[in-house]
Amino acid sequence: LAKTTQPISMDSYEGQEVNITCSHNNIATNDYITWYQQFPSQGPRFIIQGYKTKVTNEVASLFIPADRKSSTLSLPRVSLSDTAVYYCQTEAGGGNKLTFGTGTQLKVEL
Amino acid sequence: DAGVTQSPTHLIKTRGQQVTLRCSPKSGHDTVSWYQQALGQGPQFIFQYYEEEERQRGNFPDRFSGHQFPNYSSELNVNALLLGDSALYLCASSSPGQWAYEQYFGPGTRLTVT
Repeated sequence: LAKTTQPISMDSYEGQEVNITCSHNNIATNDYITWYQQFPSQGPRFIIQGYKTKVTNEVASLFIPADRKSSTLSLPRVSLSDTAVYYCQTEAGGGNKLTFGTGTQLKVEL
Repeated sequence: DAGVTQSPTHLIKTRGQQVTLRCSPKSGHDTVSWYQQALGQGPQFIFQYYEEEERQRGNFPDRFSGHQFPNYSSELNVNALLLGDSALYLCASSSPGQWAYEQYFGPGTRLTVT
């Protein structure tokens, strides 16, 4: 089964842009890539989703290169409240099985 | 509009016992997925229900079973509990027929097996 890996942790300061990358192999052309945010003792919360090139919404951007072996979540101008764990999710491994990445703990400081 | 709700919030069971967790999806959603999240790890996909049938299943033993009711609510059953089953169990719902699209998660049920 394909693995979906992310950096364990990242540190940033308020107002900076943060880019978190997820490595995922063995996903098909139309398989979606989704990113979630999770705070302690809460369920994950949807951030953004896409399957090719670039997607942007009011809180983030998602960049997917042509080979689709990775994706990057971009958070513009982070604040203290963005401190959380961020997960990518794919349909990696075939059989339409939803797979979460290993998660990245983002810490934002003043 | 209530989001995804789960019950109970916390549960303590003994090894070998059986447990049933419940989930009510967000209004208008017909697809329910269950995940297991061990402490410090990402959620692991258990299975997904759509139209009262199990549509996809992750790498979990048959001790894990589920059910979806006509009102789209769902139950997760775990038999012969092991210490390793201690985790946060998350339920997620999504829009009609869109199993892999934006999922709305509930707060989870924290299961502790002693």
